[in-house]
Amino acid sequence: KAGVTQTPRYLIKTRGQQVTLSCSPISGHRSVSWYQQTPGQGLQFLFEYFSETQRNKGNFPGRFSGRQFSNSRSEMNVSTLELGDSALYLCASSLRDEQYFGPGTRLTVT
Amino acid sequence: QQQVKQSPQSLIVQKGGISIINCAYENTAFDYFPWYQQFPGKGPALLIAIRPDVSEKKEGRFTISFNKSAKQFSLHIMDSQPGDSATYFCAASMGSNYKLTFGKGTLLTVNP
Repeated sequence: KAGVTQTPRYLIKTRGQQVTLSCSPISGHRSVSWYQQTPGQGLQFLFEYFSETQRNKGNFPGRFSGRQFSNSRSEMNVSTLELGDSALYLCASSLRDEQYFGPGTRLTVT
Repeated sequence: QQQVKQSPQSLIVQKGGISIINCAYENTAFDYFPWYQQFPGKGPALLIAIRPDVSEKKEGRFTISFNKSAKQFSLHIMDSQPGDSATYFCAASMGSNYKLTFGKGTLLTVNP
């Protein structure tokens, strides 16, 4: 089976802009979670979607949002980008407990 | 509030030695404890996981030891190899909640 794919792999944006990241889960996996990874804060949970519904949400401002489509593919959006949003954004897909991560999208905000 | 505390931050081991990384958790509702391995430029890869109903789980050179009363679990890498050099993360989640709470990570270096 193909693994989790994320696009784009790298992204450079300017403060105030918005960005959309995409994730395609492993075939058959219906749960998709998003995490932010930074050197200072480590890996932090953003939100989780299952069957197009957000089931869990982490402690991030409302500028961070997501959605899931009927084919389980997911997108996350960050509006009004801040310098502190520079991070590796990771998507993980799950069938049951086990979460499998994609390679991430490296977002740089200048 | 850091719910999963991981130590040490960094670890240097000689080839063939045993690498030990420890984690402690606070929330007794956690019931799933995975370990992830991450190489630079890659996403975390699931290594091994354990549930509280067993005290130890072994897969190849990797073993998880779990102490429910102490709320601690550890990863042992036997016969460590230079290719094991990576950052290791412990994590925890509860029930059907897929939210993983991660430790801060341990940078393992295995010298040849």
